[in-house]
Parts: sequence; C-alpha cells; structure tokens
Amino acid sequence: NAGVMQNPRHLVRRRGQEARLRCSPMKGHSHVYWYRQLPEEGLKFMVYLQKENIIDESGMPKERFSAEFPKEGPSILRIQQVVRGDSAAYFCASSEDRGGTGELFFGEGSRLTVL
Amino acid sequence: EDKVVQSPLSLVVHEGDTVTLNCSYEVTNFRSLLWYKQEKKAPTFLFMLTSSGIEKKSGRLSSILDKKELSSILNITATQTGDSAIYLCAVPSGSARQLTFGSGTQLTVLP
Repeated sequence: NAGVMQNPRHLVRRRGQEARLRCSPMKGHSHVYWYRQLPEEGLKFMVYLQKENIIDESGMPKERFSAEFPKEGPSILRIQQVVRGDSAAYFCASSEDRGGTGELFFGEGSRLTVL
Repeated sequence: EDKVVQSPLSLVVHEGDTVTLNCSYEVTNFRSLLWYKQEKKAPTFLFMLTSSGIEKKSGRLSSILDKKELSSILNITATQTGDSAIYLCAVPSGSARQLTFGSGTQLTVLP
C-alpha cells in the first residue's frame, strides 16, 4: 500500500514562472491537505480538498495560489508568477473519511526553490 | 486563533540520555493532540492523544496529555542517534480538518 506520493520532489523556478506540485493520496483516502513549511518554521495549513471540492482554503494566499483535486488524477497545487518568498517545502497529506480528529499521513514533500 | 507552542526549540543530548519535550496549546474546541517526528522527509505519525492522564507508549517513546494544563509531553528514554529529528505537536482546529502545528523541537542526539 503506497503512501502519499508527491512529485516533483525538487523544483526550481525563476521569478514569474509557474510551479505545479502534484499529490496522490494513500489508497482509500478521500481527503487531501496541503501544508507549507518555510525555513525554520512549522507546518502551516493551506487547503483541504475532497474529490472535485475545495472544502477549506482559509490558509491559502489570496492571489497566485490555487488547488484542485479532480475526479481522476492527483491533487494539484498551482503557484502562478512565483516570487522568492514562495521558496518552501510543500507537503501533501491525506486521511480517511473520519470526524476530523484522526491522523494525517504525509508525503515526502516538494521543495520549491525560486531563483 | 488556535495556537501551539513547543519547548525547547532545540535540544542536544548524548546517546543514552532521556529527554522530555513539551507542547502547550490553546484551541477553541479541543478534539485531540498529535505528535509527529520529522526527519529529512515526511512527518511521520507518533501518537494521538484524546484523554487526559492516559500514557501512550511505543518502544522508548511515550506521551501523555494534561487537559487541565492544556499541555502534553513526549518522553524519549535511552536516546539513540536515530532519534535525531524535529518533533512536531499539532491540534485539529478550525473545521477540524486542519492541523495547527507548533514550530517543533529540534532534537540532536550525539554518539
């Protein structure tokens, strides 16, 4: 049973380019979460999605960032017109359909570097 | 706003030592508290605590929750170099589908 799969593991972009990060949840998990970890900081919640629905995007920056979890395929976190401050590790996590107290299973992260 | 504070921020010990990591929280509607270990890659789940005073144990690691003090501790006995990692504490908050994390305790175990 594969864990949460994220790709790419490392991504380098120049300022103004777009970054697309992909996440496939664990088999049987229908809930996907994206977290960002800036250097020397803890994980910060960005967005929570179920298939074809954004449930909670309260942690997403209002501009340039978007997320989707289509009916088929992985969840995508998209960052348009990247800036240096977007450099961070982006972690995806998934969970079963529980009442919200359960554990999240994390992927190994995608490390974005903006030059 | 929900908040999780961990201490110490970093800790350096020698193999064989016992360490205690602290986590305190302020959350509107407490459901559970979770501990994760983060090495260079994915945070991996250690414990979920929901009831006060009941110790959860896994090998040399143990954890306990004190709802009265709004805190939890993570103990590691007979530390090994492989225990070197960032230990993260988190609580479900908001819609309960998001976790609020502390900034972690960086543990370094020297041989």
